[in-house]
Amino acid sequence: QSVLTQPPSVSEAPRQRVTISCSGGSSNVGNSAVIWYHLLPGKAPKLLIYYNDMLASGVPDRFTGSKSGTAASLAISGLQSEDEGDYYCAAWDARLNAYVFGTGTRVTVL
Amino acid sequence: EVQLVESGGGLERPGGSLTLSCAASGFILSNHDIHWVRLAAGKGLEWVAYNGNTGDTKYATSVKGRFIVSRDNDKNTAFLQMSSLRDEDTAIYYCARGWGGVPANWYFDLWGHGALVTVSS
Repeated sequence: QSVLTQPPSVSEAPRQRVTISCSGGSSNVGNSAVIWYHLLPGKAPKLLIYYNDMLASGVPDRFTGSKSGTAASLAISGLQSEDEGDYYCAAWDARLNAYVFGTGTRVTVL
Repeated sequence: EVQLVESGGGLERPGGSLTLSCAASGFILSNHDIHWVRLAAGKGLEWVAYNGNTGDTKYATSVKGRFIVSRDNDKNTAFLQMSSLRDEDTAIYYCARGWGGVPANWYFDLWGHGALVTVSS
Protein backbone atom coordinates (compact mmCIF):
# COMPACT_ATOMS: atom_id res chain seq x y z
CA GLN A 1 0.00 0.00 0.00
CA SER A 2 1.47 3.31 -1.11
CA VAL A 3 2.14 6.12 1.35
CA LEU A 4 1.22 8.70 -1.32
CA THR A 5 -2.52 8.95 -1.91
CA GLN A 6 -4.07 9.99 -5.21
CA PRO A 7 -7.68 9.91 -6.41
CA PRO A 8 -8.35 6.70 -8.40
CA SER A 9 -9.76 8.54 -11.38
CA VAL A 10 -10.66 11.92 -12.82
CA SER A 11 -12.52 12.72 -16.00
CA GLU A 12 -13.33 15.85 -17.89
CA ALA A 13 -14.32 17.04 -21.34
CA PRO A 14 -11.78 18.12 -23.96
CA ARG A 15 -10.27 21.60 -23.47
CA GLN A 16 -11.23 21.60 -19.78
CA ARG A 17 -8.93 21.45 -16.76
CA VAL A 18 -8.30 18.65 -14.28
CA THR A 19 -6.28 18.57 -11.09
CA ILE A 20 -4.75 15.46 -9.56
CA SER A 21 -3.83 15.55 -5.88
CA CYS A 22 -1.00 13.68 -4.17
CA SER A 23 -1.17 13.52 -0.39
CA GLY A 24 1.79 12.37 1.66
CA GLY A 25 3.57 13.14 4.90
CA SER A 26 6.60 14.78 6.43
CA SER A 27 8.88 11.84 5.58
CA ASN A 28 8.17 12.06 1.86
CA VAL A 29 6.34 14.92 0.13
CA GLY A 30 7.10 17.29 2.99
CA ASN A 31 10.86 16.88 2.64
CA SER A 32 11.53 15.66 -0.89
CA ALA A 33 11.00 16.75 -4.44
CA VAL A 34 7.73 15.56 -5.95
CA ILE A 35 7.84 14.04 -9.41
CA TRP A 36 5.00 13.28 -11.81
CA TYR A 37 4.96 10.52 -14.44
CA HIS A 38 2.48 9.54 -17.17
CA LEU A 39 1.86 5.92 -18.17
CA LEU A 40 0.16 4.62 -21.26
CA PRO A 41 -0.24 0.86 -21.87
CA GLY A 42 2.54 -0.53 -24.01
CA LYS A 43 4.53 2.68 -23.91
CA ALA A 44 7.52 3.78 -21.90
CA PRO A 45 6.53 5.88 -18.87
CA LYS A 46 7.11 9.58 -19.36
CA LEU A 47 8.50 12.18 -16.98
CA LEU A 48 6.22 15.22 -16.76
CA ILE A 49 7.28 17.28 -13.73
CA TYR A 50 10.40 17.18 -11.55
CA TYR A 51 11.48 19.19 -8.50
CA ASN A 52 7.80 19.86 -7.65
CA ASP A 53 7.08 22.29 -10.47
CA MET A 54 9.75 22.00 -13.17
CA LEU A 55 8.43 21.02 -16.59
CA ALA A 56 10.36 18.16 -18.19
CA SER A 57 11.79 18.62 -21.66
CA GLY A 58 9.19 18.35 -24.42
CA VAL A 59 6.21 18.47 -22.05
CA PRO A 60 3.64 21.13 -23.03
CA ASP A 61 3.04 23.97 -20.61
CA ARG A 62 -0.55 22.78 -20.21
CA PHE A 63 0.92 20.70 -17.38
CA THR A 64 1.62 22.44 -14.06
CA GLY A 65 2.99 20.98 -10.85
CA SER A 66 2.79 22.49 -7.39
CA LYS A 67 3.49 21.56 -3.77
CA SER A 68 2.48 22.93 -0.42
CA GLY A 69 3.57 21.22 2.77
CA THR A 70 2.79 17.51 2.54
CA ALA A 71 0.51 17.79 -0.50
CA ALA A 72 1.26 18.17 -4.18
CA SER A 73 -0.88 18.47 -7.27
CA LEU A 74 -0.70 18.21 -11.03
CA ALA A 75 -2.98 20.36 -13.16
CA ILE A 76 -3.69 19.67 -16.81
CA SER A 77 -5.37 22.48 -18.72
CA GLY A 78 -6.76 22.39 -22.23
CA LEU A 79 -7.33 18.66 -21.88
CA GLN A 80 -6.65 16.58 -25.00
CA SER A 81 -7.35 12.95 -25.86
CA GLU A 82 -3.61 12.20 -25.77
CA ASP A 83 -3.62 13.13 -22.07
CA GLU A 84 -5.54 9.99 -21.18
CA GLY A 85 -3.73 7.38 -19.14
CA ASP A 86 -2.40 6.82 -15.66
CA TYR A 87 -0.59 9.51 -13.69
CA TYR A 88 1.67 8.86 -10.72
CA CYS A 89 3.31 11.16 -8.24
CA ALA A 90 6.55 10.03 -6.60
CA ALA A 91 8.99 11.10 -3.91
CA TRP A 92 11.77 9.78 -1.70
CA ASP A 93 10.58 8.57 1.69
CA ALA A 94 13.28 9.06 4.33
CA ARG A 95 11.49 6.90 6.90
CA LEU A 96 11.06 3.94 4.54
CA ASN A 97 14.43 4.59 2.87
CA ALA A 98 12.71 4.01 -0.46
CA TYR A 99 11.45 5.87 -3.52
CA VAL A 100 7.68 5.71 -3.33
CA PHE A 101 5.01 6.18 -5.96
CA GLY A 102 1.48 7.38 -5.45
CA THR A 103 -1.52 5.12 -5.85
CA GLY A 104 -2.04 6.39 -9.39
CA THR A 105 -4.85 8.33 -11.07
CA ARG A 106 -6.53 7.35 -14.32
CA VAL A 107 -7.43 10.34 -16.45
CA THR A 108 -10.27 9.97 -18.93
CA VAL A 109 -11.12 12.56 -21.54
CA LEU A 110 -14.87 12.41 -22.08
CA GLU B 1 18.41 7.75 -30.66
CA VAL B 2 18.58 8.05 -26.89
CA GLN B 3 16.80 5.03 -25.44
CA LEU B 4 16.77 2.16 -22.96
CA VAL B 5 15.74 -1.33 -24.04
CA GLU B 6 14.98 -4.10 -21.55
CA SER B 7 15.31 -7.78 -22.37
CA GLY B 8 15.43 -11.14 -20.61
CA GLY B 9 11.90 -11.34 -19.32
CA GLY B 10 9.91 -14.54 -19.40
CA LEU B 11 8.23 -17.27 -17.39
CA GLU B 12 9.99 -18.66 -14.33
CA ARG B 13 8.89 -20.98 -11.54
CA PRO B 14 8.72 -19.81 -7.93
CA GLY B 15 12.15 -20.08 -6.37
CA GLY B 16 13.86 -19.67 -9.72
CA SER B 17 16.15 -17.00 -11.10
CA LEU B 18 16.07 -14.59 -14.00
CA THR B 19 18.34 -11.77 -15.16
CA LEU B 20 17.04 -8.69 -16.96
CA SER B 21 19.24 -6.54 -19.17
CA CYS B 22 18.85 -2.84 -19.86
CA ALA B 23 20.77 -1.72 -22.95
CA ALA B 24 21.42 1.99 -23.24
CA SER B 25 21.97 3.76 -26.55
CA GLY B 26 22.57 7.37 -27.43
CA PHE B 27 24.25 8.16 -24.13
CA ILE B 28 27.05 6.85 -21.91
CA LEU B 29 25.62 4.63 -19.21
CA SER B 30 28.61 5.09 -16.89
CA ASN B 31 27.68 8.75 -16.46
CA HIS B 32 24.23 7.96 -15.11
CA ASP B 33 22.34 6.25 -12.33
CA ILE B 34 19.94 3.47 -13.31
CA HIS B 35 16.78 2.53 -11.45
CA TRP B 36 14.48 -0.44 -11.81
CA VAL B 37 10.72 0.00 -11.37
CA ARG B 38 7.97 -2.58 -11.75
CA LEU B 39 4.27 -2.53 -12.51
CA ALA B 40 2.14 -5.50 -11.50
CA ALA B 41 -1.26 -6.06 -13.08
CA GLY B 42 -3.93 -4.15 -11.23
CA LYS B 43 -1.38 -2.41 -9.04
CA GLY B 44 0.66 0.75 -9.14
CA LEU B 45 4.28 1.47 -9.86
CA GLU B 46 6.80 0.12 -7.37
CA TRP B 47 10.42 1.20 -7.17
CA VAL B 48 12.66 -1.87 -7.03
CA ALA B 49 16.32 -0.89 -7.03
CA TYR B 50 18.96 1.77 -7.65
CA ASN B 51 22.34 1.31 -9.31
CA GLY B 52 24.40 4.45 -8.93
CA ASN B 53 27.03 5.40 -11.48
CA THR B 54 29.62 5.33 -8.68
CA GLY B 55 28.67 1.79 -7.70
CA ASP B 56 26.34 2.41 -4.77
CA THR B 57 23.09 0.49 -4.63
CA LYS B 58 19.75 0.58 -2.82
CA TYR B 59 16.89 -1.90 -2.82
CA ALA B 60 13.22 -1.96 -1.91
CA THR B 61 12.54 -4.00 1.20
CA SER B 62 10.43 -6.42 -0.86
CA VAL B 63 13.43 -7.52 -2.96
CA LYS B 64 16.41 -6.94 -0.65
CA GLY B 65 18.56 -10.03 -0.42
CA ARG B 66 16.97 -11.56 -3.53
CA PHE B 67 17.69 -9.03 -6.31
CA ILE B 68 21.06 -7.62 -7.31
CA VAL B 69 21.79 -4.71 -9.64
CA SER B 70 24.97 -4.45 -11.68
CA ARG B 71 26.26 -2.95 -14.88
CA ASP B 72 28.76 -3.52 -17.66
CA ASN B 73 29.85 -0.08 -18.75
CA ASP B 74 31.85 -1.44 -21.67
CA LYS B 75 28.61 -2.87 -23.06
CA ASN B 76 26.60 0.17 -21.96
CA THR B 77 24.23 -2.24 -20.24
CA ALA B 78 22.71 -2.54 -16.76
CA PHE B 79 21.37 -5.73 -15.19
CA LEU B 80 18.84 -6.85 -12.61
CA GLN B 81 19.56 -10.32 -11.25
CA MET B 82 16.46 -11.79 -9.65
CA SER B 83 16.57 -14.93 -7.52
CA SER B 84 14.25 -16.75 -5.12
CA LEU B 85 11.42 -15.46 -7.29
CA ARG B 86 7.92 -15.31 -5.83
CA ASP B 87 4.49 -15.11 -7.42
CA GLU B 88 4.26 -11.50 -6.30
CA ASP B 89 7.34 -10.61 -8.38
CA THR B 90 5.20 -11.03 -11.51
CA ALA B 91 5.23 -7.63 -13.22
CA ILE B 92 6.51 -5.52 -16.07
CA TYR B 93 10.01 -4.39 -15.14
CA TYR B 94 11.26 -1.03 -16.39
CA CYS B 95 14.76 0.37 -16.25
CA ALA B 96 15.02 4.13 -16.03
CA ARG B 97 17.78 6.73 -16.17
CA GLY B 98 18.08 8.61 -12.91
CA TRP B 99 18.97 12.18 -12.10
CA GLY B 100 19.00 14.31 -9.00
CA GLY B 101 22.01 13.09 -7.05
CA VAL B 102 20.66 12.73 -3.52
CA PRO B 103 17.60 10.48 -3.11
CA ALA B 104 15.39 13.38 -2.00
CA ASN B 105 15.84 14.85 -5.48
CA TRP B 106 15.65 11.67 -7.56
CA TYR B 107 13.70 11.63 -10.80
CA PHE B 108 13.74 9.42 -13.88
CA ASP B 109 13.85 11.16 -17.24
CA LEU B 110 14.17 8.21 -19.62
CA TRP B 111 12.42 4.86 -19.35
CA GLY B 112 12.44 1.66 -21.37
CA HIS B 113 9.29 -0.03 -22.61
CA GLY B 114 9.61 -2.76 -20.02
CA ALA B 115 10.12 -6.52 -19.82
CA LEU B 116 7.42 -8.88 -18.59
CA VAL B 117 8.39 -11.30 -15.85
CA THR B 118 5.90 -14.00 -14.94
CA VAL B 119 6.47 -16.19 -11.90
CA SER B 120 4.18 -19.18 -11.88
CA SER B 121 4.27 -22.92 -11.34
